[in-house]
Amino acid sequence: QVQLVESGGGVVQPGGSLRLSCAASGFTFSNYVMHWVRQAPGKGLEWVSFIRYAGSDKFYADSVKGRFTISRDDSKNTLYLQMSSLRPEDTAVYYCATETDSPFDYWGQGTLVTVSS
Amino acid sequence: QSALTQPPSASGIPGQRVTISCSGSTSNIGSNSVTWYQQLPGTAPKLVIHNNNQRPSGVPDRFSGSKSGTSASLAISGLQSEDEADYYCTAWDDSLTGWMFGGGTKVTVL
Repeated sequence: QVQLVESGGGVVQPGGSLRLSCAASGFTFSNYVMHWVRQAPGKGLEWVSFIRYAGSDKFYADSVKGRFTISRDDSKNTLYLQMSSLRPEDTAVYYCATETDSPFDYWGQGTLVTVSS
Repeated sequence: QSALTQPPSASGIPGQRVTISCSGSTSNIGSNSVTWYQQLPGTAPKLVIHNNNQRPSGVPDRFSGSKSGTSASLAISGLQSEDEADYYCTAWDDSLTGWMFGGGTKVTVL
């Protein structure tokens, strides 16, 4: 069965950087689009970024464009999100999600990023 | 990027039918399919409807979706206590070249 496990969250100061990882299993990772979606405490879902298979195309929400970079290592079945110039409003649970048959069809459990001094 | 518009809350008694709306524009719902998710408290979202009205295997047939023009709806028939959750719609936006989520609707079973 599909399994997604995020890691790398934590507390970081404003202006700092952090790299999130998402380890995937149970499906042919290299064949599918992968997403990052975040949810600020007590708020709704916000799409952050997605990457096509082989990293051929990458798309970002305006709120993170120029600060976040999505990447994937198909040899390790792992998705990444490099976050820099972090702001307090980036505080959220970050989920990775698949697009195997439909958008965001499987989700990880999420990892919490807190941007605070 | 603006979110798709959902009512913040909806409620019903067990057995009742509840409908949640999701309003967008020609660049998102009007041009692309809508997907719906259920998020139980403290858990990750779960897909309940894709391609406007298709139910993944394992999702009860009490859940149904529809789309007309620039709006979509999720209906829950025969409401049960375990349906108490937040529900979100999403659609791709051609103008923004990004995914839009609705603000979420909290369904309460009275």
